[in-house]
Amino acid sequence: AQSVTQLGSHVSVSEGALVLLRCNYSSSVPPYLFWYVQYPNQGLQLLLKYTTGATLVKGINGFEAEFKKSETSFHLTKPSAHMSDAAEYFCAVTLGETSGSRLTFGEGTQLTVNP
Amino acid sequence: GAVVSQHPSRVICKSGTSVKIECRSLDFQATTMFWYRQFPKKSLMLMATSNEGSKATYEQGVEKDKFLINHASLTLSTLTVTSAHPEDSSFYICSAPRMGASYEQYFGPGTRLTVT
Repeated sequence: AQSVTQLGSHVSVSEGALVLLRCNYSSSVPPYLFWYVQYPNQGLQLLLKYTTGATLVKGINGFEAEFKKSETSFHLTKPSAHMSDAAEYFCAVTLGETSGSRLTFGEGTQLTVNP
Repeated sequence: GAVVSQHPSRVICKSGTSVKIECRSLDFQATTMFWYRQFPKKSLMLMATSNEGSKATYEQGVEKDKFLINHASLTLSTLTVTSAHPEDSSFYICSAPRMGASYEQYFGPGTRLTVT
């Protein structure tokens, strides 16, 4: 079984400031981890993913995340927030075939970027 | 990149009627598709797994007779909300994993259902 916890349902930053969205997971086998972004009334867009290999992964729009097995974390960061980053962010985990490719989502974090 | 479409994007129906939502994988084949429901300000709740050539697998608490799923082909899954009621109003999203792509799922743009 797998689960995801996103710490902080709302995060507010100033434009140009560091963005840090936290995600912790639990799984019985090595997981595949994802961050998705959702804009109002739209589907989910993949930001980045971790499968195997390099633990620091880079995604679109300047986002990156680091897989830390010892901390069971996959926090999302961006050095400098832009107004267009304001959206809902979801961390998700799958165990691949072990879980029938099913994704388990965190509760989401609403990012607000202040001018 | 892989694209998943949904139709319609928005639908309003009267209570008691049925509504069909289509989910298509446009440039890849999907033997499995997933249907989610999302309430305002909430995360995605998996409703069911749609399997091409076999019955859908429903999550606990989801009424299979109310939410009919048909995976008609390798690129099309449909969700029919039968005898819709106002409490069925929600945002419905489908997704499809592209096998061999690290289990990454591609999401449709969602369908906003409003039952009056």
